[in-house]
Amino acid sequence: EVLLVESGGGLVQPGESLRLSCAASGFTISSHWMSWVRQAPGKGLEWVANIKQDGSEKYYVDSVKGRFTISRDNAKNSLYLQMSSLRAEDTAVYFCARVRDCYDRSGYHNDYYFDYWGQGTLVTVSS
Amino acid sequence: DIQMTQSPPSLSASVGDRVTITCRSSQSISSYLNWYQQKPGKAPQLLIYAASSLQSGVPSRFSGSGSGTDFTLTISSLQPEDFATYYCQHSYSAPWTFGQGTKVEIK
Repeated sequence: EVLLVESGGGLVQPGESLRLSCAASGFTISSHWMSWVRQAPGKGLEWVANIKQDGSEKYYVDSVKGRFTISRDNAKNSLYLQMSSLRAEDTAVYFCARVRDCYDRSGYHNDYYFDYWGQGTLVTVSS
Repeated sequence: DIQMTQSPPSLSASVGDRVTITCRSSQSISSYLNWYQQKPGKAPQLLIYAASSLQSGVPSRFSGSGSGTDFTLTISSLQPEDFATYYCQHSYSAPWTFGQGTKVEIK
């Protein structure tokens, strides 16, 4: 059974840092892109960051560039999000998600999608 | 960045109704379009990937269509467990943005 379990959330003050972890089981993360997605209270979903299988490529939403760092430890089957200079607008439930590649019948790549999600961890930034 | 515009923001429907939700991208995204269902307090669940492929285990009353910039999620006969919020999401290029969501409520 595929499981993703996030941890590390909590209450922090503006400007502080926090590190989220996502422990995977039931599959090997080294075969997958992995992502973080967040959801502010009462709001919609927002993709935060992606990391390639070997960590060689990373992408971020503009609002977190320079403040957040996505990383992975394939040996530990774990994904991380280091968050610094936190702001009130970073308050959200943070989900980790497994990314699947999709190919059409001709073998051409035609999609990436999130097929498994963790239960989320709440980060609250407030003074 | 590619923007995703989802409509309507909410709708009221009865059990057995046919429901259609639309999603439009600001530029062509081929078939890099996915649909998710989210219930309160839960993680999203994948319904449709690559615009029209049904995720394993998802009931066949859910279907997706479209390509390029215009996409549709259809629930052929709404069931009580389908009352939830639905999101489209593109994965054509970073940032992978979501639509604003459509809340499906009981009439």
